[in-house]
Amino acid sequence: KAGVTQTPRYLIKTRGQQVTLSCSPISGHRSVSWYQQTPGQGLQFLFEYFSETQRNKGNFPGRFSGRQFSNSRSEMNVSTLELGDSALYLCASSPGRDRDTQYFGPGTRLTVL
Amino acid sequence: GENVEQHPSTLSVQEGDSAVIKCTYSDSASNYFPWYKQELGKGPQLIIDIRSNVGEKKDQRIAVTLNKTAKHFSLHITETQPEDSAVYFCAAVFNTDKLIFGTGTRLQVFP
Repeated sequence: KAGVTQTPRYLIKTRGQQVTLSCSPISGHRSVSWYQQTPGQGLQFLFEYFSETQRNKGNFPGRFSGRQFSNSRSEMNVSTLELGDSALYLCASSPGRDRDTQYFGPGTRLTVL
Repeated sequence: GENVEQHPSTLSVQEGDSAVIKCTYSDSASNYFPWYKQELGKGPQLIIDIRSNVGEKKDQRIAVTLNKTAKHFSLHITETQPEDSAVYFCAAVFNTDKLIFGTGTRLQVFP
């Protein structure tokens, strides 16, 4: 079974731009969560989607948004990029509603100049 | 609040020695405590997890212990090998259904 895939793997943007990251979960998984990883703040929860509905949200500004499609694929969007948004963005999928056994993708490395 | 503290932040051991990483969590943590290993350039990989109805779980050279009364859990790696070198994260699911991670431990195993 293929693992979680994320595209693109690397991205360079400038301040003020917006960006969209994509995540394809493991086949059959219906829950997708997004995390931001930085050296200073570690792994921080952004949001989680289950069956196209946002089920949970972390403490990030409204510039960070996401959605999930009927095939469970998910996208996250960051608008009006700031230098501090430079990070590794990780997507994780799990089979069902329960918050356990999350499988992570390789991440998208976003650099904001 | 929802918080997981992890110690130490770095750990260096000689090949063959044991390594222990400890985590404590705040109130309202639920019943699921996973451990992840992250190698350079990769996403975190689940290596072992434990639920609150179990005090200890072992998988070959890796073991995890959980003390719910004291609100702490630990990862034990025995007979360490150079390929165990990575960053290890503990995590806990809280009653808000959020998976909160510790700050990570960089483990270096020297041959």
